[in-house]
Amino acid sequence: EVQLVESGGGLVQPGGSLRLSCAASGFTFSSYDMHWVRQATGKGLEWVSAIGTAGDTYYPGSVKGRFTISRENAKNSLYLQMNSLRAGDTAVYYCARAYYYGSGSYYFDYWGQGTLVTVSS
Amino acid sequence: SYELTQPPSVSVSPGQTARITCSGDALPKQYAYWYQQKPGQAPVLVIYKDSERPSGIPERFSGSSSGTTVTLTISGVQAEDEADYYCQSADSSGTHVVFGGGTKLTVL
Repeated sequence: EVQLVESGGGLVQPGGSLRLSCAASGFTFSSYDMHWVRQATGKGLEWVSAIGTAGDTYYPGSVKGRFTISRENAKNSLYLQMNSLRAGDTAVYYCARAYYYGSGSYYFDYWGQGTLVTVSS
Repeated sequence: SYELTQPPSVSVSPGQTARITCSGDALPKQYAYWYQQKPGQAPVLVIYKDSERPSGIPERFSGSSSGTTVTLTISGVQAEDEADYYCQSADSSGTHVVFGGGTKLTVL
């Protein structure tokens, strides 16, 4: 059974840092691209970052330069290092697996249950 | 930055048909995906590749595409379909994922 379990969320002051983890099990982690998606309370989904099987990374402009996605295949783990945090980064952070079904196209087939990050003084 | 536009809310009575649209300039070049999210739960894929239905998703869910707009249609809406629905695609380069703002489906 595929499982994604996030951890590392919590309360952090503006300007602070936090590192999220996502423990994967039930599949060959190294063979899948992985993503982080966040959701502020009562708001929509927002894509945060992606990492390919070769370690290539992608970010939207809202977090580029502040967040760093990484993976450790030997530990079946995905990470998100978040620096210079702002109140607007407050959200539930989900890790999600990208499933490629052909021609370079993919969808998110498994999601974790999320970890809450609160940025406040 | 690239955006996908959805109506904030759609309301239908049980048994009726709900249609939720999603508009974006890159949709003629990039596939769209639809996710259903119920309160306190992670999203669940209901449509992929504009109109394909994953296994386990009821036949009443369907998708279509026309130009810069994709549409999620739920035929014979049931109370259990009440949820938030998000479209998702990519920008024209294909490297950045984009979500629509979400549509709250209310079953009256």
